[in-house]
Amino acid sequence: AQRVTQPEKLLSVFKGAPVELKCNYSYSGSPELFWYVQYSRQRLQLLLRHISRESIKGFTADLNKGETSFHLKKPFAQEEDSAMYYCALGNNQGGKLIFGQGTELSVKP
Amino acid sequence: NAGVTQTPKFQVLKTGQSMTLQCAQDMNHNSMYWYRQDPGMGLRLIYYSASEGTTDKGEVPNGYNVSRLNKREFSLRLESAAPSQTSVYFCASRQGSSSEAFFGQGTRLTVV
Repeated sequence: AQRVTQPEKLLSVFKGAPVELKCNYSYSGSPELFWYVQYSRQRLQLLLRHISRESIKGFTADLNKGETSFHLKKPFAQEEDSAMYYCALGNNQGGKLIFGQGTELSVKP
Repeated sequence: NAGVTQTPKFQVLKTGQSMTLQCAQDMNHNSMYWYRQDPGMGLRLIYYSASEGTTDKGEVPNGYNVSRLNKREFSLRLESAAPSQTSVYFCASRQGSSSEAFFGQGTRLTVV
């Protein structure tokens, strides 16, 4: 069975502080992992995915298969990063895509 | 570019009423999804369609039915609405595994 866990409902940091949003997953096959972001009054949109190994808006995430984690990190948070962040898990067998509970990031000035 | 379009945007139903939420995508995507978003629960998968002609249950399918009408359209039906189905519903589509999912703007449904 697929499962995604985001242990923090709310993460509050000051501008310029490092940020780490945690994501753990459970899946017996080869996982596909994503981070999506939902800014206020906007649609959910892709932030990054593990296969791309890219940095978007200063965010990075590394897939750790040993710890079954895909934590999202940014060294210096900005106020515009305040949003709801969702970790998502897909598979390569049928297209099922599930999301975690979400973490609300609040960056204070 | 319309992307993923959901109708309606808002709806109020009485307990026991039925309704269908419509979703259409113009990106020629194979896979389509219905989610509900509730505070503290995140996005939960109701049903999905990996390709035209197939549908599968997600995490919370009870009380819902879906129809993949064609490649573009994927509808979600509530046969007998209950207050527990008050939520924001999102439709999404993507080309296939590993690809980006695109979301609709959401439908805010209240069941009284």
